[in-house]
Amino acid sequence: AAGVIQSPRHLIKEKRETATLKCYPIPRHDTVYWYQQGPGQDPQFLISFYEKMQSDKGSIPDRFSAQQFSDYHSELNMSSLELGDSALYFCASSLVGGSRRETQYFGPGTRLLVL
Amino acid sequence: AQKVTQAQTEISVVEKEDVTLDCVYETRDTTYYLFWYKQPPSGELVFLIRRNSFDEQNEISGRYSWNFQKSTSSFNFTITASQVVDSAVYFCALSEANTDKLIFGTGTRLQVFP
Repeated sequence: AAGVIQSPRHLIKEKRETATLKCYPIPRHDTVYWYQQGPGQDPQFLISFYEKMQSDKGSIPDRFSAQQFSDYHSELNMSSLELGDSALYFCASSLVGGSRRETQYFGPGTRLLVL
Repeated sequence: AQKVTQAQTEISVVEKEDVTLDCVYETRDTTYYLFWYKQPPSGELVFLIRRNSFDEQNEISGRYSWNFQKSTSSFNFTITASQVVDSAVYFCALSEANTDKLIFGTGTRLQVFP
């Protein structure tokens, strides 16, 4: 079965640079979620989109922005990168089904290292 | 406030032993969802099981089983006859009905030795 695709898988940036992470959800899934997992930490929710509209927001820094496009893929844009942004960034997708909270399926993650 | 507690930081077992991972959650919502995810050394997050707050039936799926007890706000996960490939960090997570986010516990690192 098709899974969530994330690119790139690894990314090395310098401080103050920008980075763009891409996420392609499971076919027919309409909702994407972004999480950040620091070393030895649990994943922290950043932001989510349903039908191209932001649906929920977590602890996402103002330096980060994200959007979902008409083909449902999503991009996380990170500017003025800091050393503390080094982390594993996950995208997840689900199919929103009425009032039922559907399972989020995660991609393999993008490992970002800021030097 | 929502919170997930996994008190076991690390568990080590020998292959073929049964192992139970504990999870305690806090929520004020009456409708919520609980999940277990596995994160092997390769880093991906793999969905294992979910339970809805309105369904307390416990089930067994292969070597996995879970015990959902609303009275004690616990959602424990058991692996029967553990294998080396079960070595991973296991996260328990909570989702409330009115929010998208998953609240994760701090994870339990399971090491299965041959």
